[in-house]
Amino acid sequence: EIVLTQSPGTLSLSPGERATLSCRASQRVGSSYLAWYQQKPGQAPRLLIYAASSRATGIPDRFSGSGSGTDFTLTINRLEPEDFAVYYCQQYGTSPQTFGQGTKVEI
Amino acid sequence: QITLKESGPTLVKPTQTLTVTCSFSGFSLSTSGVGVAWVRQRPGKALEWLALYYWNDDKHYSPSLESRLTITKETSKNQVVLTLTNLDPVDTATYYCAQRSKNGYNFWGQGTLVTVSS
Repeated sequence: EIVLTQSPGTLSLSPGERATLSCRASQRVGSSYLAWYQQKPGQAPRLLIYAASSRATGIPDRFSGSGSGTDFTLTINRLEPEDFAVYYCQQYGTSPQTFGQGTKVEI
Repeated sequence: QITLKESGPTLVKPTQTLTVTCSFSGFSLSTSGVGVAWVRQRPGKALEWLALYYWNDDKHYSPSLESRLTITKETSKNQVVLTLTNLDPVDTATYYCAQRSKNGYNFWGQGTLVTVSS
């Protein structure tokens, strides 16, 4: 089982600042099958990034993903008020298709 | 337009079996690389991957829950069903289904909250 470790647990920032979220895998993530999701209270997760660096349809370009192998990063440039949420990484190449424990981005 | 919707009981007693159904439309579970997954989220906790039914009828389970989980497909109804046996209060969670493709889990249901309590 691939264990994903996200850091930090909580990120306290202000609108307009940049957020940098990390996701480290215990084993290599094959074919960069690494995704990032945003979740707000009471809502289902929303796909932001797939294949480590490809933005999903309709996702603003202030969201970007990078990385390969075992180290991945989600960057949110110029935080907007609606970006304050919990973010999860997930590897979906090898079952079980595990999630990280989440990073909360708070004001 | 791809949609998924979960349905099932809202309250189940300990030791009973939970059956939740994911009804989907807008895609075919016969398309290569496509699957329907179940993910749950305990109150205030992280997302937890449970199981996945693939286009080729392969089934994958979370190792920690495999002995209690079964995932099946109702082809004629475009449904994927998850059963979880021997429920415990720690199984109280919102259960989501989602479409898995090579582009991640792009489509999710709204989730269904299941409470395990006597």
